[in-house]
Amino acid sequence: RKEVEQDPGPFNVPEGATVAFNCTYSNSASQSFFWYRQDCRKEPKLLMSVYSSGNEDGRFTAQLNRASQYISLLIRDSKLSDSATYLCVVNVFGNEKLTFGTGTRLTIIP
Amino acid sequence: EPEVTQTPSHQVTQMGQEVILRCVPISNHLYFYWYRQILGQKVEFLVSFYNNEISEKSEIFDDQFSVERPDGSNFTLKIRSTKLEDSAMYFCASSPTGGNGYTFGSGTRLTVV
Repeated sequence: RKEVEQDPGPFNVPEGATVAFNCTYSNSASQSFFWYRQDCRKEPKLLMSVYSSGNEDGRFTAQLNRASQYISLLIRDSKLSDSATYLCVVNVFGNEKLTFGTGTRLTIIP
Repeated sequence: EPEVTQTPSHQVTQMGQEVILRCVPISNHLYFYWYRQILGQKVEFLVSFYNNEISEKSEIFDDQFSVERPDGSNFTLKIRSTKLEDSAMYFCASSPTGGNGYTFGSGTRLTVV
């Protein structure tokens, strides 16, 4: 089983729609969770951390279910500028490295 | 906003040659990292560096790879004898604390021919 698993997509979504991404992780010792965004041939950039209670940042909402080892990201009122690859990332307690999923590619259609 | 700076942005090298990829981490960060991303694949951890020594490394980081912090600002990744399969984007990152607060550099695209 992959350490971090995501649906690769692509997701082609009309502007203004709501889109949701899911991610599962295999290591129950995972402690920190993140969503990163990566534009084509660019570096990953932190979109948001994911907290146990769930958290929201503007149009973005992240949820964590530790029991199911499942993380989600919801994007509301999608914009053309949201087109990117969204990376689910976890960090295991006591380790410094980040473990990345393969990413889900999102294209917002005008 | 502080940045992690990487040079060069693109390097082409012949198979078997040595390459050195350079990074300037954020000045008050203590942890430094190299990751790579083969085209179309996921970002993979190579190595972490703290207190002037390697603190963790992956299976990818074999004897062909080495890292160094030659002075107070630079952090380098050396590949001794490049192979075709070393072609990838190499990202440097730094963080103030291990595992959190990462900032990635814009990457060096390495092409081995």
